[in-house]
Amino acid sequence: GAGVSQSPSNKVTEKGKDVELRCDPISGHTALYWYRQSLGQGLEFLIYFQGNSAPDKSGLPSDRFSAERTGGSVSTLTIQRTQQEDSAVYLCASSQQRGSNGYTFGSGTRLTVV
Amino acid sequence: AQSVSQHNHHVILSEAASLELGCNYSYGGTVNLFWYVQYPGQHLQLLLKYFSGDPLVKGIKGFEAEFIKSKFSFNLRKPSVQWSDTAEYFCAVSSPGNTGKLIFGQGTTLQVKP
Repeated sequence: GAGVSQSPSNKVTEKGKDVELRCDPISGHTALYWYRQSLGQGLEFLIYFQGNSAPDKSGLPSDRFSAERTGGSVSTLTIQRTQQEDSAVYLCASSQQRGSNGYTFGSGTRLTVV
Repeated sequence: AQSVSQHNHHVILSEAASLELGCNYSYGGTVNLFWYVQYPGQHLQLLLKYFSGDPLVKGIKGFEAEFIKSKFSFNLRKPSVQWSDTAEYFCAVSSPGNTGKLIFGQGTTLQVKP
């Protein structure tokens, strides 16, 4: 597609439920990144994919967070047993290579845990 | 670990005023430096980037930034701001050869009064 597409754009969930956030990167972009933007916290790196593998998942805050990427394209970020502190905007970005050249961000998914 | 510090959290200017947003990073090696902008309701966009060469880089919409290695700084400047520059600005750093992961500053909210 023309840009990085994320869905849903907004998600409200009850504490304890699982959520899945989807990212559709720009076609042909091999590198894909997930970030989290919390109020007053700036942007926090979560995980990096190169193709379908994740050589850097150092930013995942707990084992409740996981992500996968299939076909070198779509990625899903899953948060299990959501907590209120998981409320944030989850951003996805993609780039042609490892992204040191700067990358293209999606519009994000705003997650609210109530 | 790398970190990025943006000293100004909230800046208010009148149109035509000059802008300088501070950014300092902590990393002793070679770095790539970026400024991203997020206009209200829009996704993050790349303003400009520095990899090597001329330390004064020019970006879109009249913005420029100067890399001063001795000060570990990459300040963003614009000689004359417009109301449409109202946005949040993020400085970021990545280390060449790594995964392309970006470390972001906390962001600076710029409000330009007409």
